[in-house]
Amino acid sequence: AQTVTQSQPEMSVQEAETVTLSCTYDTSENNYYLFWYKQPPSRQMILVIRQEAYKQQNATENRFSVNFQKAAKSFSLKISDSQLGDTAMYFCAWLYSGGGADGLTFGKGTHLIIQP
Amino acid sequence: DAGVTQSPTHLIKTRGQQVTLRCSPKSGHDTVSWYQQALGQGPQFIFQYYEEEERQRGNFPDRFSGHQFPNYSSELNVNALLLGDSALYLCASSLVVGQGLAGGPETLDTQYFGPGTRLTVL
Repeated sequence: AQTVTQSQPEMSVQEAETVTLSCTYDTSENNYYLFWYKQPPSRQMILVIRQEAYKQQNATENRFSVNFQKAAKSFSLKISDSQLGDTAMYFCAWLYSGGGADGLTFGKGTHLIIQP
Repeated sequence: DAGVTQSPTHLIKTRGQQVTLRCSPKSGHDTVSWYQQALGQGPQFIFQYYEEEERQRGNFPDRFSGHQFPNYSSELNVNALLLGDSALYLCASSLVVGQGLAGGPETLDTQYFGPGTRLTVL
């Protein structure tokens, strides 16, 4: 079974700083996606960024970027120029992409607090 | 472009009762997955529906059942409610993007989530 581990239950940084959230995963599969989702107090789970495992290039979406290390099974999220609206729970998730109807496997989340 | 919608927003039930939650997928999506998120935890996969059939199930008992309609919307039913069923129930929709490896089951694209239904069991 796949597992996703987020070792930082909570992080707090000042507005405009850069913050990195950690995620490691364990799988024997070679074809998969990795995701970061954001869940603000409104509860809506919002996709932040997605990475296909076969791509060596790290995904980037505006202020959000990942450091994907496939051999190390590590998938960290970097948020640059952090904003108050970035305050939320952040979940790392894994999904098999080789076919099948599996659901996402989530980590326990990191509560990120952006201080003014 | 309508996103994923869920109803109701909140629900309060007592132990032993039955509940039905509803989900409409994002426009153009054909697959619906359901997740249970206990307080302070990440979501746990319940099951997934495609072509009106349950395709995969997580580690949840048969008290949890579902249905998908021809318009791709879905229902989650929970019977004989327990206190431990209190949670946020999330629905996610996605699109089948192709055949899986070696002709196996289909491959899914990114899942997009609805706002959730908060179920409280007293």
